[in-house]
Amino acid sequence: GAGVSQSPRYKVAKRGQDVALRCDPISGHVSLFWYQQALGQGPEFLTYFQNEAQLDKSGLPSDRFFAERPEGSVSTLKIQRTQQEDSAVYLCASSPLAGGPYEQYFGPGTRLTVT
Amino acid sequence: DQQVKQNSPSLSVQEGRISILNCDYTNSMFDYFLWYKKYPAEGPTFLISISSIKDKNEDGRFTVFLNKSAKHLSLHIVPSQPGDSAVYFCAASVIAFGNEKLTFGTGTRLTIIP
Repeated sequence: GAGVSQSPRYKVAKRGQDVALRCDPISGHVSLFWYQQALGQGPEFLTYFQNEAQLDKSGLPSDRFFAERPEGSVSTLKIQRTQQEDSAVYLCASSPLAGGPYEQYFGPGTRLTVT
Repeated sequence: DQQVKQNSPSLSVQEGRISILNCDYTNSMFDYFLWYKKYPAEGPTFLISISSIKDKNEDGRFTVFLNKSAKHLSLHIVPSQPGDSAVYFCAASVIAFGNEKLTFGTGTRLTIIP
């Protein structure tokens, strides 16, 4: 089947705009993760879902960031009132089960540029 | 506080020779380690992993070594091929507490010279 897909692949937002980034995990995968990758850095954890439950949101940088996965499949990461420091690639990953260790399958990412 | 460090930003290796990528970590709670490979404009792709109860794991041309006392792991690729040219990320997690989030290093760009 298909891998993890993300949309849009590229997003340019003016400072202060709200954006919504979508992740379609591999079908049936229980765990879903969001990571933020700044230029020249490794991915950094943002938040984790097990089915529809958001079990860890310790990596969200501010209350402008919000994530949901209401039916335990597709997830949306929303950033309100975007700032220039939000410019990064946002990666979504899924894994088949919970309780690890299981490899995480990554999508291609959404590159967000805030001008 | 960089808990996973890859101190070599780049590495060039002749085709056919061995590539050795290194990674150090500071958090002694990490019990599962992974290597990911990333091509431009794509997401990271899983390569190989190792649990902290082992010191070596091998999969084809890829071998990962773990030295827990030194908090160091390395990825060996032999023989290196042109298609191995990519950015390699070391990652770690604490599975024992059910916390599967990955902590990544900053990556090493490997270039295989034909």
